Amino acid sequence: DQQVKQNSPSLSVQEGRISILNCDYTNSMFDYFLWYKKYPAEGPTFLISISSIKDKNEDGRFTVFLNKSAKHLSLHIVPSQPGDSAVYFCAASEVNYGGSQGNLIFGKGTKLSVKP
Amino acid sequence: NAGVTQTPKFRILKIGQSMTLQCAQDMNHNYMYWYRQDPGMGLKLIYYSVGAGITDKGEVPNGYNVSRSTTEDFPLRLELAAPSQTSVYFCASSQPGQFSGANVLTFGAGSRLTVL
Repeated sequence: DQQVKQNSPSLSVQEGRISILNCDYTNSMFDYFLWYKKYPAEGPTFLISISSIKDKNEDGRFTVFLNKSAKHLSLHIVPSQPGDSAVYFCAASEVNYGGSQGNLIFGKGTKLSVKP
Repeated sequence: NAGVTQTPKFRILKIGQSMTLQCAQDMNHNYMYWYRQDPGMGLKLIYYSVGAGITDKGEVPNGYNVSRSTTEDFPLRLELAAPSQTSVYFCASSQPGQFSGANVLTFGAGSRLTVL
């Protein structure tokens, strides 16, 4: 039973255009959402997060949008660059401190390819 | 800064053998985690620790053991290796409250284990 779902295994975008990666969740107790980026043969690296009290968080070219009523979040990358090609994981937790409720639940990931 | 260091990077085991995956962090984080990632799947939590001497099971703990005798080290022990344990293992650490909002995990580069 997947609590965090990334339904698109892959996405291909032209350099300079917008990349939109989507994530849905089923657990209404989730209050914190994170995006991680992963290059081959490396560990995931933290990209951006958002808490449920916000509907948008921006960091440079990366913006995360949260629609709590729809249990949906998305990551926008503008403009997309070839170096953004990686697997992007969506993750969620109920609380922002450690312990079982603070453990991150991950989606399966979306592989983004940005073509020059 | 080394961050989270995992050894070995690669290992091939025979069915029934045992081994320990090592994980060390130098960020003085209280929380540490072991995840596994199977092809096309997200990261699944095996075990986690909220401090030295305290460990707890995650989503997929069967076939594994952990210990946390120091803040820095969190080894993962595989007893009686089985082909189903073929995976990439990621160790991570966090210090909730370090970033405003979410419990952000810092991951190691991973250990690729094959059981034949």
